[in-house]
Amino acid sequence: QKEVEQNSGPLSVPEGAIASLNCTYSDRGSQSFFWYRQYSGKSPELIMFIYSNGDKEDGRFTAQLNKASQYVSLLIRDSQPSDSATYLCAPDGGGADGLTFGKGTHLIIQP
Amino acid sequence: NAGVTQTPKFRILKIGQSMTLQCAQDMNHNYMYWYRQDPGMGLKLIYYSVGAGITDKGEVPNGYNVSRSTTEDFPLRLELAAPSQTSVYFCASSAIAEKRKETQYFGPGTRLLVL
Repeated sequence: QKEVEQNSGPLSVPEGAIASLNCTYSDRGSQSFFWYRQYSGKSPELIMFIYSNGDKEDGRFTAQLNKASQYVSLLIRDSQPSDSATYLCAPDGGGADGLTFGKGTHLIIQP
Repeated sequence: NAGVTQTPKFRILKIGQSMTLQCAQDMNHNYMYWYRQDPGMGLKLIYYSVGAGITDKGEVPNGYNVSRSTTEDFPLRLELAAPSQTSVYFCASSAIAEKRKETQYFGPGTRLLVL
């Protein structure tokens, strides 16, 4: 059974601060890691993916991966109210089947 | 491109009724997926397909059936609806995964209430 653990929150962060979202996974075979953002009542949309150990930056978003510790995180710099959403972590264990999603972390950016 | 489309947006079913949730994509993606999302939970895979005529079970397939006669369409059939099937259903598609999975693009979802 592949397990993905995320703190469900809510995680409250002041506007302009750094939001840090964490995810741990059980499947050591996971090679790629996806972060999806889901606004309330909407469908998930991809914001980042990472497949190498270390950091990957894209605008205000940075994904960090540590395969040895089975840990992946997402940092959001200069947080904006529009970043308020649920963030879903999804490791890819390989194969053609779907992703295994965590329950998500509900992030609230306070103006 | 419309991307991934789903119909209906919302439906109320009585226990024991059946229905088909429609999903279509216009991105020529080979891979298609059906997920369900219960309140406060992540998405769970129901069924997936790697191409026309090929389908396989996911984590929670009981009570559902799928077919894939074309690349574009991937309908999900609910037979004998039960209250436990009350959920939001998302269809997704992606290009062929070679070395690693490609981005999955999600439809807007179908909200289903079984009473």
